[in-house]
Amino acid sequence: DIQMTQSPSSLSASVGDRVTITCRASQAIRNDLGWYQQKPGKAPKRLISAASTLQSGVPSRFSGSGSGTEFTLTISSLQPEDFATYYCLQHNSDAYTFGQGTKLEIK
Amino acid sequence: EVQVVESGGGLVKPGGSLRLSCEASGFTVSDAWMNWVRQAPGKGMEWVGRIKSKVDGGTTDYAAPLKGRFTISTDDSKNTLYLQMNSLKIEDTAVYYCTQLQWDCWGQGTLVTVSS
Repeated sequence: DIQMTQSPSSLSASVGDRVTITCRASQAIRNDLGWYQQKPGKAPKRLISAASTLQSGVPSRFSGSGSGTEFTLTISSLQPEDFATYYCLQHNSDAYTFGQGTKLEIK
Repeated sequence: EVQVVESGGGLVKPGGSLRLSCEASGFTVSDAWMNWVRQAPGKGMEWVGRIKSKVDGGTTDYAAPLKGRFTISTDDSKNTLYLQMNSLKIEDTAVYYCTQLQWDCWGQGTLVTVSS
């Protein structure tokens, strides 16, 4: 199975900060990657598909980039509602894999 | 509106079996690629497996560690997706989600607890 290495595993930041989360794939996955936000007790919600396509209704402060093996999710100016856990998910191979997650906490 | 609702979770002893159900509405489950994803308490998301749409062959794929114990299937007459879990281990304790990833459609999850 393709391994997805997500970093950092946790991040402490303040409202208004710019933050970047990275996922690295163990082999090239083109742009077959999504970014998800999960809040406690809830199912994940997709923010970004195809590595860089913002989903309808998702604020423009979220952006995704990358192709091949390295991908980033950037939040340009953190808002209080953005404190959550973020996951990447690759769907290039027959077996999909999530990154380990990044817990974004308030500093 | 597309919607999925999971059921069938509960407490089961190690070595036991359990079948989870995922009833779909707003679409035909065999026309979609359907996935199961799980999350152990306090842990990250883990992809469990997927069944392709009937037109794409209806084949299944699973996460390598789960192959041979877990089986995904559908029932057209009930418009329902299933996850049959056998030889359950304590580490299979998790909330199990049914999801259609293309549409970002997720259920509320059903908790499976494996404990003696």
